[in-house]
Amino acid sequence: DAEITQSPRHKITETGRQVTLACHQTWNHNNMFWYRQDLGHGLRLIHYSYGVQDTNKGEVSDGYSVSRSNTEDLPLTLESAASSQTSVYFCASSELAAGELFFGEGSRLTVL
Amino acid sequence: AQSVTQLDSQVPVFEEAPVELRCNYSSSVSVYLFWYVQYPNQGLQLLLKYLSGSTLVKGINGFEAEFNKSQTSFHLRKPSVHISDTAEYFCAVKLGGYQKVTFGTGTKLQVIP
Repeated sequence: DAEITQSPRHKITETGRQVTLACHQTWNHNNMFWYRQDLGHGLRLIHYSYGVQDTNKGEVSDGYSVSRSNTEDLPLTLESAASSQTSVYFCASSELAAGELFFGEGSRLTVL
Repeated sequence: AQSVTQLDSQVPVFEEAPVELRCNYSSSVSVYLFWYVQYPNQGLQLLLKYLSGSTLVKGINGFEAEFNKSQTSFHLRKPSVHISDTAEYFCAVKLGGYQKVTFGTGTKLQVIP
């Protein structure tokens, strides 16, 4: 079965360190998204990609970057982690027309 | 830009009672509407979606939602809830022609035995 996997599922890091969260999908979807989930805010879009070599900023992109070198992967990098980036991060993918998002199980990041 | 409002952050309901989770959206153009469910420590999964056609949409696990364009609402309903329905529910909107999805802040449904 096709799926979307995230790693690591849990990570604790220190302020100022670089962190990369991996996202790999086997749906062969063109669209991939990174969201963060925080209490009282729901899911907020960080970055998204409509295909290889395409990346776009979402509503809360400061301090984050992504790159898309193939269809399957969209890693999310925190260049210098801050305590405000403690959150649960979800990767998702979708087909071009249908719009339904398929989610990974999330990566819980704690920045101390 | 589109936005989604879920006014109820928590909804407690007794088992086998009906429930309605409210969702309102704002957009001046045509939209696609979704309800997702998140069980504890899991990702979100699609409950149902409205793309076009009949305004009453049926989803998985006995849930349904009605699209009301004049009231810009897409409320989620279930006639009789079960303990296993305890989860957080998110309403989401996508503009036609675009791929970005905007989520509401979520409603936690607590089913009381």
